[in-house]
Amino acid sequence: QQQVKQSPQSLIVQKGGISIINCAYENTAFDYFPWYQQFPGKGPALLIAIRPDVSEKKEGRFTISFNKSAKQFSLHIMDSQPGDSATYFCAASIGNTGFQKLVFGTGTRLLVSP
Amino acid sequence: GAVVSQHPSWVICKSGTSVKIECRSLDFQATTMFWYRQFPKQSLMLMATSNEGSKATYEQGVEKDKFLINHASLTLSTLTVTSAHPEDSSFYICSAREWGQFNTEAFFGQGTRLTVV
Repeated sequence: QQQVKQSPQSLIVQKGGISIINCAYENTAFDYFPWYQQFPGKGPALLIAIRPDVSEKKEGRFTISFNKSAKQFSLHIMDSQPGDSATYFCAASIGNTGFQKLVFGTGTRLLVSP
Repeated sequence: GAVVSQHPSWVICKSGTSVKIECRSLDFQATTMFWYRQFPKQSLMLMATSNEGSKATYEQGVEKDKFLINHASLTLSTLTVTSAHPEDSSFYICSAREWGQFNTEAFFGQGTRLTVV
């Protein structure tokens, strides 16, 4: 019940296209859903996060769509660029104060072709 | 934004020796820090939760005598891999969230690549 399932495992998108990564969870107590971007040899960096009281959040080219009833959320990267090529992780936690631990998805390796 | 600094970035050690990795929150206080392990092309696996002034909480299957965690101050946690073996070679990452703040993101260190030869 603590798992967060992520798909696809890998994704190839042409430059300018839309990249879509999906995650699903079971634990209805989760109420904080961040997405992280990780480049090889680096730690993850927060891209965007959402709480379940909104269905969509947009920051620049990155949008999170959240479906509470389906217990699913997704990341959309608009106008994908080669610099977006990285591994993306969704995550979830119960609360987001100082001590709640994150449960990570399995990751999606995105390659944006020039 | 808040910064979490991890040191060293990479380390090579001989089998049987111990290695210490430091995780510092540079501009905020963190009563809790988290240590992850990541194998190539895999997700982050939480190893333990480090609590300032008290014992760390280890995830199931993680040997606490092998991975010693010390959180001596509100800005520093250390992970010591004792009697390291080649199978301990991995990418270790720490993260921290600001103490006492709500709606705060988790900041991650840059990671430490450990290679045991």
